[in-house]
Amino acid sequence: TQLLEQSPQFLSIQEGENLTVYCNSSSVFSSLQWYRQEPGEGPVLLVTVVTGGEVKKLKRLTFQFGDARKDSSLHITAAQTGDTGLYLCAGSRSNDYKLSFGAGTTVTVRA
Amino acid sequence: DSGVTQTPKHLITATGQRVTLRCSPRSGDLSVYWYQQSLDQGLQFLIQYYNGEERAKGNILERFSAQQFPDLHSELNLSSLELGDSALYFCASSGTSGRTNEQFFGPGTRLTVL
Repeated sequence: TQLLEQSPQFLSIQEGENLTVYCNSSSVFSSLQWYRQEPGEGPVLLVTVVTGGEVKKLKRLTFQFGDARKDSSLHITAAQTGDTGLYLCAGSRSNDYKLSFGAGTTVTVRA
Repeated sequence: DSGVTQTPKHLITATGQRVTLRCSPRSGDLSVYWYQQSLDQGLQFLIQYYNGEERAKGNILERFSAQQFPDLHSELNLSSLELGDSALYFCASSGTSGRTNEQFFGPGTRLTVL
């Protein structure tokens, strides 16, 4: 059983549409990261959120950390083909040095 | 480019063999983490070293071992290899073990066991 549950598992949309990926847990996290990974390459850190209710924006990407620090979401506005990839959320709990990863959401943006 | 380097990029070997994967962390980072990524298991944490000392252990098999050297580079040793060990192996590094635990990943080593 994954500590972090991501949904949906797969998402295919047309260029210009919006999408949201969810990351949920029953555990509280001291920080949560979102990564994007392309096939055969290492995950690339997109953002870190640490405060409950925090919202961070990275161009067309908006990341939100839940008030209780148990969940997060990633929203992409006007998706582009370059947004295609595997999106992973990962969290750290207090006094835990490792990151726990969700299973990932594969996003495909069609031209 | 994350600043984390891993060698080799690809490794093909036979069952029963032993291999060594190498990782150099970002300049100044003291922590190194090893992960295994397979299609059915996702990214699984194996082990963490901090400034030469083992700090945390995850789902690492007894056939696997790691170490971090004084120059902070790390090696992951995999022995008595089985077909199921075929996977992508990633190394990540971080600067401190503070609140955010941001980790930066290398490009990975793809291990194929035949």
